[in-house]
Amino acid sequence: GENVEQHPSTLSVQEGDSAVIKCTYSDSASNYFPWYKQELGKRPQLIIDIRSNVGEKKDQRIAVTLNKTAKHFSLHITETQPEDSAVYFCAAGGSARQLTFGSGTQLTVLP
Amino acid sequence: GAGVSQTPSNKVTEKGKYVELRCDPISGHTALYWYRQSLGQGPEFLIYFQGTGAADDSGLPNDRFFAVRPEGSVSTLKIQRTERGDSAVYLCASSLSSRETQYFGPGTRLLVL
Repeated sequence: GENVEQHPSTLSVQEGDSAVIKCTYSDSASNYFPWYKQELGKRPQLIIDIRSNVGEKKDQRIAVTLNKTAKHFSLHITETQPEDSAVYFCAAGGSARQLTFGSGTQLTVLP
Repeated sequence: GAGVSQTPSNKVTEKGKYVELRCDPISGHTALYWYRQSLGQGPEFLIYFQGTGAADDSGLPNDRFFAVRPEGSVSTLKIQRTERGDSAVYLCASSLSSRETQYFGPGTRLLVL
């Protein structure tokens, strides 16, 4: 089955700086890669997703890049704000329909 | 419209007891998923429904776990003879159809004493 690895497990940045979180996946059949933000005690919320026919997608301060050959994808957050502090999960999905999640990155934006 | 809802929000039970966890998906969503999230980990897939049928139950850890979705809307996850290791947050997600964006509910936090 699919295996998703996520790095780093924790990330601290100064407000206004950029944050990058990286994930790798193992199943070449995976073709859908969402990113979820989860605040403490809350439900995971989709922030951006990308499908394998696209190499990059951007939504305001958030962007995701995908390298299918290398089987890795990354989340980029620019101009970070304290409210960006949360746990971020990458995931991979494909023919199996269900999502396989990474282990999460605790992002802390320091004011 | 209303998002995915789950009840109860918290459930405390004793080892060996039976529990039922309920999920109300977004109206019109045909696909429904159950995941389990342990502390400090990402959600782990349990079971996927397309309509009324369980299309993939490969993530259920053992035969103590069972889920139904009799009318293609509300789903119930049932755990028999609960064990302390079953303690986790059980998340439900729904999507308009399979391979579409999955929207998560707030989860049920299960604690088995």
